[in-house]
Amino acid sequence: AQSVTQPDIHITVSEGASLELRCNYSYGATPYLFWYVQSPGQGLQLLLKYFSGDTLVQGIKGFEAEFKRSQSSFNLRKPSVHWSDAAEYFCAVGGPGNQFYFGTGTSLTVIP
Amino acid sequence: DTAVSQTPKYLVTQMGNDKSIKCEQNLGHDTMYWYKQDSKKFLKIMFSYNNKELIINETVPNRFSPKSPDKAHLNLHINSLELGDSAVYFCASSPFSGGSGNTIYFGEGSWLTVV
Repeated sequence: AQSVTQPDIHITVSEGASLELRCNYSYGATPYLFWYVQSPGQGLQLLLKYFSGDTLVQGIKGFEAEFKRSQSSFNLRKPSVHWSDAAEYFCAVGGPGNQFYFGTGTSLTVIP
Repeated sequence: DTAVSQTPKYLVTQMGNDKSIKCEQNLGHDTMYWYKQDSKKFLKIMFSYNNKELIINETVPNRFSPKSPDKAHLNLHINSLELGDSAVYFCASSPFSGGSGNTIYFGEGSWLTVV
């Protein structure tokens, strides 16, 4: 069965520090992988997605993610975090019939 | 132009009432969804429609009834509201190609509080 695991419920980083949010997936075929961000009181915004090809994908707001098939991972990274990055981050895998499976989210706090 | 818009954004209502949330998308997508996000931020799909036809209907109380008058609209009607229905409800849409690689676009959510 398809599933997504985000092992870190909450992460705190200092502004300017690097960030890595972990995502592991379980999927029987070639996965379609997504990262979404949810700012407080807002809907979900797509940061980036992986369908095929280059395993390092670039997204908006300076984020990138690397697909590692051997580790079943799709970790999100940013070299220097800004205070406005504080939000909830969701990893998702695309399943059959346009079904999406979301992880439980990682809450990011940025301290000055 | 808002791609996926839903109304109302905030709704406070008493137990036992009936309420509706409306959703419209102007992206030309064939597929629309309703997701529920609970207090722990967990996102769970409730329904999915493709060209007005129900294709995903997860285990949801039958007090929840989606209605799709056309492929650009998917409304959610909730009867006999209960305290446990308090959550954020997200409408979303995506193209439908029969595959699983389509991006989902979300509305800004409707915060429902049942008192």
